[in-house]
Amino acid sequence: KAGVTQTPRYLIKTRGQQVTLSCSPISGHRSVSWYQQTPGQGLQFLFEYFSETQRNKGNFPGRFSGRQFSNSRSEMNVSTLELGDSALYLCASSLGDRYSGNTIYFGEGSWLTVV
Amino acid sequence: SQKIEQNSEALNIQEGKTATLTCNYTNYSPAYLQWYRQDPGRGPVFLLLIRENEKEKRKERLKVTFDTTLKQSLFHITASQPADSATYLCALEFGAGGTSYGKLTFGQGTILTVHP
Repeated sequence: KAGVTQTPRYLIKTRGQQVTLSCSPISGHRSVSWYQQTPGQGLQFLFEYFSETQRNKGNFPGRFSGRQFSNSRSEMNVSTLELGDSALYLCASSLGDRYSGNTIYFGEGSWLTVV
Repeated sequence: SQKIEQNSEALNIQEGKTATLTCNYTNYSPAYLQWYRQDPGRGPVFLLLIRENEKEKRKERLKVTFDTTLKQSLFHITASQPADSATYLCALEFGAGGTSYGKLTFGQGTILTVHP
């Protein structure tokens, strides 16, 4: 069974641009979460989607947004990129059928460098 | 706000010994606590999940304990091998207050190095 797939794996953007990252969850998983990982802040929760609806959101500015499609695939978008947005962006999927206690599986991440 | 501390940034042990990693948290008790392994440049890999009403969980050479009185989880790797070298992350999930739904709060991780 294929794992969580994220594309692109690496990308470089210029400050002020926007970026879209894509995630395909494990087959059968309806919940997709996004995380940002930096050396200074560690892993931080961005948001979670289930059946195309955002159910939870972390403490990030409105420049960070996401969406989920009917096939559970998800995208996240960061607009007006800042140098501090350089990070590893991780997508995670789970069945999501319970409020909590779902085993969460992570993809390999998308490395974003903002110059 | 919730704070999670993993005992040390780095832990070095000899092959064959037991590695013990600590995860301490403040304030609210989580409904679930999970441990992940992360290799450089890769995403975290799920290892074990333990519920607040469970004291201990085992999987092969791995063992996790959860003490809600001490607000602490211990993660043990017995008969450690060089291949166990990685960063280990503890992650808490809180069941009440609408903070769950895919939201894990992570510690900073402990870098484990197992020397041959």
